[in-house]
Amino acid sequence: GNSVTQMEGPVTLSEEAFLTINCTYTATGYPSLFWYVQYPGEGLQLLLKATKADDKGSNKGFEATYRKETTSFHLEKGSVQVSDSAVYFCALSDRLNQGGKLIFGQGTELSVKP
Amino acid sequence: KAGVTQTPRYLIKTRGQQVTLSCSPISGHRSVSWYQQTPGQGLQFLFEYFSETQRNKGNFPGRFSGRQFSNSRSEMNVSTLELGDSALYLCASSLEGLDYGYTFGSGTRLTVV
Repeated sequence: GNSVTQMEGPVTLSEEAFLTINCTYTATGYPSLFWYVQYPGEGLQLLLKATKADDKGSNKGFEATYRKETTSFHLEKGSVQVSDSAVYFCALSDRLNQGGKLIFGQGTELSVKP
Repeated sequence: KAGVTQTPRYLIKTRGQQVTLSCSPISGHRSVSWYQQTPGQGLQFLFEYFSETQRNKGNFPGRFSGRQFSNSRSEMNVSTLELGDSALYLCASSLEGLDYGYTFGSGTRLTVV
């Protein structure tokens, strides 16, 4: 079945460091891919998305490229801030085969120190 | 534009009781999904409703049920609560077509004692 695997956390970085959070997926169809962020005590916020191979999603300095050949959707940011501290979730949807269902990775906690 | 509203935010129930959680989607969104979030299992899909019909269902026991009303508001019900049902329950709404992504509410934190 479809699945998402993220790198384990927590990830601790200094402010202005480069961020990469790895995400790989397994899917039988042609999924859409998402990154969501969760701040303490809150729900999930959509950070960025990509709906087909080679698409690049970007938002607030974060980027991720849909790589079908490596089944990956790694999240990157060139210079993190303390305010980026949160839990990040990679997710996929396979609308054709699984309708309105998001499959999430286990989440990666990011802590940015000043 | 109002976001997805979930009520209540916090709930404490006793084992064996039942509970109903409510979700009001963004105006115009007809698709509503529910997820359970726990530290051990992460985010797990419960079910999805579209135009008052359950369109998709996750692997949860029959104690978990839901419904959607004609105004797209949705409720989920858990009967005969167990300690393991303690979790953050998240509701998400979307325009038809997952390409838009889902907008999540802040969740209902359920504690079963």
